[in-house]
Amino acid sequence: AQSVTQPDIHITVSEGASLELRCNYSYGATPYLFWYVQSPGQGLQLLLKYFSGDTLVQGIKGFEAEFKRSQSSFNLRKPSVHWSDAAEYFCAVVPTGNQFYFGTGTSLTVIP
Amino acid sequence: GAVVSQHPSRVICKSGTSVKIECRSLDFQATTMFWYRQFPKQSLMLMATSNEGSKATYEQGVEKDKFLINHASLTLSTLTVTSAHPEDSSFYICSASDGDQRPQHFGDGTRLSIL
Repeated sequence: AQSVTQPDIHITVSEGASLELRCNYSYGATPYLFWYVQSPGQGLQLLLKYFSGDTLVQGIKGFEAEFKRSQSSFNLRKPSVHWSDAAEYFCAVVPTGNQFYFGTGTSLTVIP
Repeated sequence: GAVVSQHPSRVICKSGTSVKIECRSLDFQATTMFWYRQFPKQSLMLMATSNEGSKATYEQGVEKDKFLINHASLTLSTLTVTSAHPEDSSFYICSASDGDQRPQHFGDGTRLSIL
C-alpha cells in the first residue's frame, strides 16, 4: 500500500544539538515532497519542499532536507536546534495531482 | 506570500448545532480547496476536495450530508458541520491551490468543540 512513514513518533534533543527527522514514502514515481511544522493548536507552516533538481533543499528557520531516491526518503535536518523548534513535524507527499498524504508526525521536545 | 485565512479559529457549541467554517484565499484564486480533519496527537486526514463551481469529492468514510462543502467562488470555500455531536469535535484545517502549484497554503485551522 502506498504510504508515508515517519518512524519516530517522538524525539527529544538538547538545545544546540543536531536534529534529523526521518520520512520514507512508498509511491512508485518521485512525488512532490514537503515538510511542515505545527505548533500546538496552530495550523501548518511550510518548512521546505522538493519538486525536482538539487536533492538538498534549504528551508526556513535553518532547516534542510535531502531527497534520496534510492531510499525513498526525505529526511529533515537542522545542525543546531533551538528551544523554539519544539513542535510537531509532518512529512507530506503529493504523488500526483494535488492530493496530499501526510505522515503521522514526529513530536520534537527540546531540553535546555 | 500566499495566505489562506480560516475563520473562526475556535468554536464551542451545543450538540445539535450546525457550524460553518470559512476558508478564504487572500491573494490568489483558489481553484481547488481541501478540507482536513486532525484528531489530537494524530496526522491530518483528508476529508474532501472541492473545486470552484462544482460538487466536492469526499474521501471514503466521510459523510456528505454531515459535512457540507461549498466552493462558490475562487476565494472562498465553506465547511458546514450539520447537527454536530461531541464526536465531531476536532481540529479542521483547509488548504488551497491555485491549480498551478501544489496546495502548500494551509489555513491556521479551526478548533471545534461540541458540548
